[in-house]
Amino acid sequence: ETGVTQTPRHLVMGMTNKKSLKCEQHLGHNAMYWYKQSAKKPLELMFVYNFKEQTENNSVPSRFSPECPNSSHLFLHLHTLQPEDSALYLCASSPRRGAGEQYFGPGTRLTVT
Amino acid sequence: DQQVKQNSPSLSVQEGRISILNCDYTNSMFDYFLWYKKYPAEGPTFLISISSIKDKNEDGRFTVFLNKSAKHLSLHIVPSQPGDSAVYFCAATSQGGSEKLVFGKGTKLTVNP
Repeated sequence: ETGVTQTPRHLVMGMTNKKSLKCEQHLGHNAMYWYKQSAKKPLELMFVYNFKEQTENNSVPSRFSPECPNSSHLFLHLHTLQPEDSALYLCASSPRRGAGEQYFGPGTRLTVT
Repeated sequence: DQQVKQNSPSLSVQEGRISILNCDYTNSMFDYFLWYKKYPAEGPTFLISISSIKDKNEDGRFTVFLNKSAKHLSLHIVPSQPGDSAVYFCAATSQGGSEKLVFGKGTKLTVNP
């Protein structure tokens, strides 16, 4: 595997479910990001991790819980989501926080029913 | 308030002609600008960038122009090819500041054969 991978690619979950999104980067980068892309809106930064430490939480509701066990893996744990949380969730990485170029995964299309 | 604006949601161009995608920003602290391309079912892919110390950067068929006084940048693709059909996102960051990438909503480019 190369680049940034995300699983699952599609997820349908009920409002009472608990699920997790997984991201893995094979680029040797030290910073990882979660973005949300809703219809007709720009990409919104959710979380930033730099060397496994969370450096940014962009006022994200607590029903989204990130986890970064090492510099190559990033998770987004989901629980009691709302239908308006349905969106494309993108993971990205960069050599370090603040490096302009970020490399994106293909995203997870999440539908909350 | 959107700090990065792409006012044209879509653009249609004939193959072989020039495509010009525009982007405006409001935050004068932004000093590094990027263009990403996104195909359906894939994550955004970095295309080209420009630092605020330059007014032009060229990479093959792609050229980005920056007009700092007007807070405007544009991406020129010449000649346009059908494979260029994608959504193009403009992004900006302040490398000495928050270092967050702020994205526009994107412009969908269609290059007709």
